[in-house]
This record gives sequence, structure tokens and C-alpha cells, in this order.
Amino acid sequence: KAGVTQTPRYLIKTRGQQVTLSCSPISGHRSVSWYQQTPGQGLQFLFEYFSETQRNKGNFPGRFSGRQFSNSRSEMNVSTLELGDSALYLCASSLGGNRRTEAFFGQGTRLTVV
Amino acid sequence: GENVEQHPSTLSVQEGDSAVIKCTYSDSASNYFPWYKQELGKGPQLIIDIRSNVGEKKDQRIAVTLNKTAKHFSLHITETQPEDSAVYFCAASDGNQFYFGTGTSLTVIP
Repeated sequence: KAGVTQTPRYLIKTRGQQVTLSCSPISGHRSVSWYQQTPGQGLQFLFEYFSETQRNKGNFPGRFSGRQFSNSRSEMNVSTLELGDSALYLCASSLGGNRRTEAFFGQGTRLTVV
Repeated sequence: GENVEQHPSTLSVQEGDSAVIKCTYSDSASNYFPWYKQELGKGPQLIIDIRSNVGEKKDQRIAVTLNKTAKHFSLHITETQPEDSAVYFCAASDGNQFYFGTGTSLTVIP
């Protein structure tokens, strides 16, 4: 059974640009959550999607957005990139029906903003 | 919202010794507590979890204990091996989202 797949693994963008990251969850999982990981802030929750609907949202500005498709794949978009957006972006998938089920992470996308 | 604190931030042990990492949480509504191991360049990997109706859970060399009254839970690794070296994260979930601790960098010295 394939795990959580995130693409691309690495990205370098210029300040002011926008970026789209992709996450394919484990087959059968309907919930996808996104996290930002930085050395100083640890793992910060961005948002969660379940059945194509945003179910929960963290405290990030509106420049961070996401969506989920009917096949449960999810994308995260960051517009008007800032230097501080440089981080490892992780997605986690879970069954989602019962929110207390295990969550499995992908390898992450390392975003560098220059 | 929930606040999860994790200690220590770094931990060095000799191979074969035990390692203990502790976390506290603030919201009594939290009812699911997973632990993740993150190796360099990889995403966090779920290694063990515990639910609020259980006080202890063990899986080979890894065990987790939960004290709901005191709102703390701990990860215990026995007979540590060099491959246990990684960053470990605790988390608490109230059913809506996961709240993570700040991580413990564990180094096992051969």
C-alpha cells in the first residue's frame, strides 16, 4: 500500500511569487491535513480537508489556501511568497470518518524563498 | 486552544540505556495522543499512540503512559540503539486537530 506522496520534494521560489504543493493521501483516506514545519516554530497546523471541504483551519494568513479533489488529493497554495514562508510543508492523511484515527505523514516539500 | 509542552528538547543516552520523553497538555478534551519519530530529511513517522481510555501501551521496546488527571503522557524507549537517534514529537488531539510538542532530539551514543 503506497504511503502519502508529496510533490515536489524541493522548491526554490522568489519573494512575491506563488507556489502550489501537492499531496496524494493513502488510498482510502479522505482527510488531508497540512502543516508548516520550521526550526523555530515546530509543527504548525495550516488546515484540514475532508471530502473536498475545509473542515478545520489554523492561524495562518489568507495567502495560504488549499483545496481537495474528489479523489482526495489535495493542493496547497501560497501566494505572494515571503522569506518567512521558507519551511518544510508536510501533509498528513487519515481515514477521517473518526477524527481520532491515526495520521500518516508524507516526506514533505522543502520550500525555500529567496 | 490546546497547548502541548515537551521536555527535554535534547537528550543524549548511551546505547542500551533507556530514554524518557515527557509531554503535558492543557485541554481535558484531548483524547488521542500519538508519538512521531522524524529522521533527517523525512516526514514524521507514527511510532505509537494511546487513547484516553488507556493508561499504558507497549510495543516491543517502546511504551507510552498517560496520566489523564495530571494531563501528562510519556514515551519510554528501552535498550536504545543508534537507529533510535531522531527527533521525537508528541501530539494531542481533541478530535478536531493535532497539537504538537516542540520536539526532542534524541542521540544514542554507540
